[in-house]
Amino acid sequence: AQTVTQSQPEMSVQEAETVTLSCTYDTSESDYYLFWYKQPPSRQMILVIRQEAYKQQNATENRFSVNFQKAAKSFSLKISDSQLGDAAMYFCAYRKRTGKLIFGQGTTLQVKP
Amino acid sequence: DARVTQTPRHKVTEMGQEVTMRCQPILGHNTVFWYRQTMMQGLELLAYFRNRAPLDDSGMPKDRFSAEMPDATLATLKIQPSEPRDSAVYFCASGLPIRNTEAFFGQGTRLTVV
Repeated sequence: AQTVTQSQPEMSVQEAETVTLSCTYDTSESDYYLFWYKQPPSRQMILVIRQEAYKQQNATENRFSVNFQKAAKSFSLKISDSQLGDAAMYFCAYRKRTGKLIFGQGTTLQVKP
Repeated sequence: DARVTQTPRHKVTEMGQEVTMRCQPILGHNTVFWYRQTMMQGLELLAYFRNRAPLDDSGMPKDRFSAEMPDATLATLKIQPSEPRDSAVYFCASGLPIRNTEAFFGQGTRLTVV
């Protein structure tokens, strides 16, 4: 069964600092896609970044980047120069060959001024 | 501005009552997901539709939950009878069947069963 695990229920970071959120997944597939979503207090789910498993290069979107380790089945999110607006719950997600999209339990990120 | 629309946004009901949540996917999206969000379980996938057909509803309690797509513009999630443990936020998301594309989420329905 495919599962996604986020082992950090809560994290905190000082404004302007860097923080890394962890995600591991379990799969027998070789071709799949990974996503990080952000959920601010408004409850709206917002896509942050995506990674294709066949691409070795780590995805980057402005201050957000991933560290994708396929062999270790690890997909961590790095937020650089953290801003107050980054405070939210972050979800890691895995999309399998059938299109099914599975999420982890989420990590709540607090940004301290 | 294309968006997934969920109704109602909030619902309070008494235990034993039937609850129906509705979702209008983005026009042109033929993939629909239903998720339940709780503090303990995070985002659980309840059902997954493609072209209105259920592909996977293994995460859904079959005895009281049902999900349908009467047409391409409407997805429904029904709970009958509702129980206090069903209290959660229920999200609908839609997307394309292209795997590197994201799912777009509605604002969710916050359900409280008392």
